[in-house]
Amino acid sequence: SQKIEQNSEALNIQEGKTATLTCNYTNYSPAYLQWYRQDPGRGPVFLLLIRENEKEKRKERLKVTFDTTLKQSLFHITASQPADSATYLCALPVYGGSQGNLIFGKGTKLSVKP
Amino acid sequence: DAGITQSPRHKVTETGTPVTLRCHQTENHRYMYWYRQDPGHGLRLIHYSYGVKDTDKGEVSDGYSVSRSKTEDFLLTLESATSSQTSVYFCAISESRASGDYNEQFFGPGTRLTVL
Repeated sequence: SQKIEQNSEALNIQEGKTATLTCNYTNYSPAYLQWYRQDPGRGPVFLLLIRENEKEKRKERLKVTFDTTLKQSLFHITASQPADSATYLCALPVYGGSQGNLIFGKGTKLSVKP
Repeated sequence: DAGITQSPRHKVTETGTPVTLRCHQTENHRYMYWYRQDPGHGLRLIHYSYGVKDTDKGEVSDGYSVSRSKTEDFLLTLESATSSQTSVYFCAISESRASGDYNEQFFGPGTRLTVL
């Protein structure tokens, strides 16, 4: 069955450093992958979508890579700030599914210390 | 923020009672989803809708039913609540692109449900 794994439950880094979060998936090749941010007590917020034919996507201090051979996406936050502290979720379209259904990873909780 | 509201935001109920959660959108998006989020499990899809009166089951649909009589409203009903349904429930919406590449999902603020 389709699986999606975010390797780290938690990641602690120092302000100014680059945070790198990992998302791995198995058993199929998705057409795209999405990343979301979730703050405590709130719903997830969409950040970036990267398609299978895109190696890399950038948005301000965020960078996402998509390696379809390794079946892995990396999510980078450069020059991290305490305000970047949140849980980050990756999501893939459900294999064989329709209507834009997504399967979400369990998330990585990022803490950026000043 | 996308125009999505959920009601109630918090609810405490007793085992065996029926519960209905409401999701309301003002974006006129076609697709609506109900998820539950639990520690150790992440977000899991309960039911979704792809149009008025068009709904289907998700990964964890047992014990839940849904209805969508208007584009803007998607109701989630627990016919007889159980303690295992204690969770945070999120509604989401999305709209498809003509190319078939689906848009991102926009989430509501969530409903925290406790079943005693």
